[in-house]
Amino acid sequence: GAGVSQSPSNKVTEKGKDVELRCDPISGHTALYWYRQSLGQGLEFLIYFQGNSAPDKSGLPSDRFSAERTGGSVSTLTIQRTQQEDSAVYLCASSSGQTNTGELFFGEGSRLTVL
Amino acid sequence: AQSVTQLDSHVSVSEGTPVLLRCNYSSSYSPSLFWYVQHPNKGLQLLLKYTSAATLVKGINGFEAEFKKSETSFHLTKPSAHMSDAAEYFCVVSPPSGGYNKLIFGAGTRLAVHP
Repeated sequence: GAGVSQSPSNKVTEKGKDVELRCDPISGHTALYWYRQSLGQGLEFLIYFQGNSAPDKSGLPSDRFSAERTGGSVSTLTIQRTQQEDSAVYLCASSSGQTNTGELFFGEGSRLTVL
Repeated sequence: AQSVTQLDSHVSVSEGTPVLLRCNYSSSYSPSLFWYVQHPNKGLQLLLKYTSAATLVKGINGFEAEFKKSETSFHLTKPSAHMSDAAEYFCVVSPPSGGYNKLIFGAGTRLAVHP
Protein backbone atom coordinates (compact mmCIF):
# COMPACT_ATOMS: atom_id res chain seq x y z
CA GLY A 1 0.00 0.00 0.00
CA ALA A 2 0.93 3.64 -0.23
CA GLY A 3 0.98 4.37 3.49
CA VAL A 4 1.84 2.81 6.83
CA SER A 5 -0.63 0.10 7.69
CA GLN A 6 -1.40 -1.05 11.22
CA SER A 7 -3.52 -3.90 12.50
CA PRO A 8 -5.72 -4.42 14.33
CA SER A 9 -7.25 -0.96 14.38
CA ASN A 10 -8.98 -1.81 17.65
CA LYS A 11 -8.20 -4.46 20.23
CA VAL A 12 -10.04 -5.15 23.44
CA THR A 13 -8.42 -7.63 25.76
CA GLU A 14 -8.60 -8.82 29.33
CA LYS A 15 -5.99 -7.96 31.91
CA GLY A 16 -3.21 -10.52 31.89
CA LYS A 17 -3.57 -11.54 28.25
CA ASP A 18 -0.84 -11.05 25.64
CA VAL A 19 -1.41 -8.89 22.56
CA GLU A 20 0.41 -8.42 19.28
CA LEU A 21 0.19 -5.29 17.18
CA ARG A 22 1.42 -5.25 13.61
CA CYS A 23 2.92 -2.53 11.46
CA ASP A 24 3.60 -2.56 7.72
CA PRO A 25 5.83 0.43 6.89
CA ILE A 26 6.05 2.22 3.59
CA SER A 27 8.01 0.14 1.12
CA GLY A 28 11.67 1.14 1.07
CA HIS A 29 11.62 2.99 4.38
CA THR A 30 14.52 1.80 6.50
CA ALA A 31 13.49 3.45 9.75
CA LEU A 32 10.52 2.30 11.82
CA TYR A 33 9.21 3.71 15.10
CA TRP A 34 6.63 2.74 17.67
CA TYR A 35 4.98 5.40 19.80
CA ARG A 36 2.28 5.24 22.44
CA GLN A 37 -0.41 7.90 22.72
CA SER A 38 -2.38 7.94 25.92
CA LEU A 39 -5.49 10.06 26.45
CA GLY A 40 -4.54 13.70 26.82
CA GLN A 41 -0.83 12.96 26.47
CA GLY A 42 1.71 13.60 23.78
CA LEU A 43 3.38 10.78 21.96
CA GLU A 44 5.68 8.60 24.01
CA PHE A 45 8.60 7.03 22.14
CA LEU A 46 8.82 3.26 22.59
CA ILE A 47 11.30 1.74 20.15
CA TYR A 48 13.18 2.53 16.94
CA PHE A 49 14.54 0.30 14.19
CA GLN A 50 17.04 1.51 11.57
CA GLY A 51 18.12 -0.93 8.92
CA ASN A 52 20.14 -3.81 10.33
CA SER A 53 21.34 -1.90 13.37
CA ALA A 54 20.42 -2.95 16.88
CA PRO A 55 17.09 -1.34 17.80
CA ASP A 56 16.86 1.50 20.27
CA LYS A 57 14.64 0.06 22.99
CA SER A 58 15.17 2.88 25.45
CA GLY A 59 11.52 3.91 25.47
CA LEU A 60 9.97 0.55 26.33
CA PRO A 61 8.22 1.05 29.69
CA SER A 62 8.79 -2.46 31.05
CA ASP A 63 10.07 -5.90 30.12
CA ARG A 64 6.49 -6.87 29.24
CA PHE A 65 6.96 -4.87 26.05
CA SER A 66 8.99 -6.15 23.12
CA ALA A 67 9.17 -5.57 19.40
CA GLU A 68 10.62 -7.28 16.39
CA ARG A 69 11.18 -6.25 12.83
CA THR A 70 11.50 -9.12 10.39
CA GLY A 71 13.36 -8.79 7.12
CA GLY A 72 13.72 -5.07 7.59
CA SER A 73 10.05 -4.54 6.88
CA VAL A 74 7.07 -5.64 8.99
CA SER A 75 7.23 -5.02 12.73
CA THR A 76 5.31 -6.58 15.61
CA LEU A 77 4.92 -4.97 19.01
CA THR A 78 4.10 -7.51 21.72
CA ILE A 79 2.73 -6.68 25.13
CA GLN A 80 2.72 -9.57 27.58
CA ARG A 81 0.45 -9.86 30.60
CA THR A 82 -1.40 -6.67 29.72
CA GLN A 83 -2.35 -4.20 32.43
CA GLN A 84 -5.06 -1.54 32.42
CA GLU A 85 -2.43 1.19 32.20
CA ASP A 86 -1.36 -0.26 28.84
CA SER A 87 -4.62 1.04 27.34
CA ALA A 88 -3.62 3.56 24.69
CA VAL A 89 -3.28 4.09 20.97
CA TYR A 90 -0.10 2.54 19.63
CA LEU A 91 1.23 4.39 16.62
CA CYS A 92 3.75 3.10 14.13
CA ALA A 93 5.72 5.39 11.84
CA SER A 94 8.32 4.92 9.17
CA SER A 95 10.77 7.18 7.42
CA SER A 96 13.37 7.02 4.72
CA GLY A 97 16.09 7.01 7.35
CA GLN A 98 17.80 10.12 6.05
CA THR A 99 19.39 11.94 8.90
CA ASN A 100 17.25 14.50 10.67
CA THR A 101 14.59 15.00 8.01
CA GLY A 102 12.09 14.82 10.82
CA GLU A 103 9.33 13.62 8.52
CA LEU A 104 7.76 10.50 9.82
CA PHE A 105 4.84 8.83 8.09
CA PHE A 106 2.36 7.55 10.62
CA GLY A 107 -0.19 4.80 10.49
CA GLU A 108 -3.67 5.32 11.91
CA GLY A 109 -2.79 3.45 15.04
CA SER A 110 -3.99 0.45 17.00
CA ARG A 111 -6.30 1.34 19.87
CA LEU A 112 -5.76 -1.07 22.76
CA THR A 113 -8.27 -1.34 25.58
CA VAL A 114 -7.40 -3.54 28.54
CA LEU A 115 -10.38 -4.42 30.69
CA ALA B 1 18.15 17.99 27.22
CA GLN B 2 15.34 19.05 24.98
CA SER B 3 11.70 19.66 25.71
CA VAL B 4 8.70 21.27 24.11
CA THR B 5 5.72 22.93 25.78
CA GLN B 6 2.42 23.63 24.09
CA LEU B 7 0.87 26.40 26.08
CA ASP B 8 -2.78 25.62 25.35
CA SER B 9 -4.39 22.21 25.53
CA HIS B 10 -7.54 23.50 23.77
CA VAL B 11 -8.14 26.39 21.40
CA SER B 12 -11.53 27.33 20.00
CA VAL B 13 -12.00 29.76 17.12
CA SER B 14 -14.74 30.81 14.76
CA GLU B 15 -14.52 29.91 11.10
CA GLY B 16 -12.76 32.66 9.18
CA THR B 17 -10.86 34.03 12.19
CA PRO B 18 -7.10 33.70 12.79
CA VAL B 19 -5.56 30.68 14.47
CA LEU B 20 -2.66 30.85 16.92
CA LEU B 21 -1.27 27.69 18.52
CA ARG B 22 1.60 28.39 20.88
CA CYS B 23 4.75 26.34 21.35
CA ASN B 24 7.89 26.98 23.38
CA TYR B 25 10.95 24.78 23.24
CA SER B 26 14.02 24.17 25.31
CA SER B 27 17.20 22.98 23.68
CA SER B 28 20.89 23.23 24.44
CA TYR B 29 21.68 23.45 20.74
CA SER B 30 20.02 24.69 17.60
CA PRO B 31 17.00 22.47 17.19
CA SER B 32 14.90 21.31 14.31
CA LEU B 33 11.23 22.01 14.97
CA PHE B 34 8.09 20.61 13.45
CA TRP B 35 4.34 20.82 13.61
CA TYR B 36 2.29 17.69 13.02
CA VAL B 37 -1.49 17.51 12.69
CA GLN B 38 -3.73 14.60 13.66
CA HIS B 39 -7.29 14.52 12.41
CA PRO B 40 -9.75 12.30 14.29
CA ASN B 41 -8.96 8.61 13.93
CA LYS B 42 -6.13 9.37 11.54
CA GLY B 43 -2.36 9.13 11.70
CA LEU B 44 -0.20 12.17 12.25
CA GLN B 45 0.79 14.22 9.22
CA LEU B 46 3.69 16.65 8.88
CA LEU B 47 2.41 20.21 8.60
CA LEU B 48 5.71 22.07 8.38
CA LYS B 49 9.30 22.00 9.60
CA TYR B 50 12.08 24.39 10.55
CA THR B 51 15.65 23.27 9.99
CA SER B 52 17.73 26.45 10.40
CA ALA B 53 16.97 27.96 7.02
CA ALA B 54 14.31 30.69 6.82
CA THR B 55 12.79 31.52 10.19
CA LEU B 56 9.30 31.87 8.72
CA VAL B 57 8.19 28.49 7.52
CA LYS B 58 5.18 27.87 5.33
CA GLY B 59 3.36 24.59 5.48
CA ILE B 60 0.38 22.88 4.01
CA ASN B 61 -3.21 24.12 4.18
CA GLY B 62 -2.19 27.75 4.68
CA PHE B 63 -0.41 27.25 8.00
CA GLU B 64 2.88 28.89 8.85
CA ALA B 65 5.18 29.12 11.84
CA GLU B 66 7.91 31.51 12.87
CA PHE B 67 11.05 30.43 14.68
CA LYS B 68 12.03 33.05 17.28
CA LYS B 69 15.25 32.10 18.99
CA SER B 70 15.13 35.01 21.44
CA GLU B 71 11.74 33.84 22.67
CA THR B 72 12.43 30.10 22.19
CA SER B 73 9.09 29.91 20.43
CA PHE B 74 7.70 28.28 17.32
CA HIS B 75 4.05 29.34 17.22
CA LEU B 76 1.74 28.03 14.51
CA THR B 77 -0.60 30.46 12.77
CA LYS B 78 -3.19 30.62 10.04
CA PRO B 79 -4.94 33.80 8.89
CA SER B 80 -8.38 32.27 8.46
CA ALA B 81 -9.63 29.05 10.03
CA HIS B 82 -11.64 26.48 8.11
CA MET B 83 -13.91 23.87 9.60
CA SER B 84 -11.56 21.22 8.23
CA ASP B 85 -8.75 22.56 10.42
CA ALA B 86 -10.37 21.05 13.50
CA ALA B 87 -7.79 18.54 14.71
CA GLU B 88 -5.04 18.00 17.24
CA TYR B 89 -1.73 19.74 16.61
CA PHE B 90 1.63 18.64 17.97
CA CYS B 91 4.76 20.74 18.26
CA VAL B 92 7.87 18.58 17.95
CA VAL B 93 11.60 19.07 18.53
CA SER B 94 14.37 16.95 17.10
CA PRO B 95 18.04 16.62 17.93
CA PRO B 96 20.50 17.92 15.33
CA SER B 97 21.79 15.75 12.54
CA GLY B 98 24.42 13.14 13.21
CA GLY B 99 22.32 10.07 13.77
CA TYR B 100 18.79 8.86 13.83
CA ASN B 101 15.88 11.01 14.88
CA LYS B 102 14.23 10.80 18.23
CA LEU B 103 11.45 13.30 18.05
CA ILE B 104 10.10 14.82 21.25
CA PHE B 105 6.39 15.60 21.03
CA GLY B 106 4.47 18.20 22.93
CA ALA B 107 1.25 17.21 24.69
CA GLY B 108 -0.83 18.56 21.83
CA THR B 109 -3.35 21.34 21.27
CA ARG B 110 -6.86 20.45 20.25
CA LEU B 111 -8.26 23.03 17.83
CA ALA B 112 -12.01 23.42 17.58
CA VAL B 113 -13.51 25.50 14.77
CA HIS B 114 -17.13 26.55 15.06
CA PRO B 115 -19.37 28.19 12.48
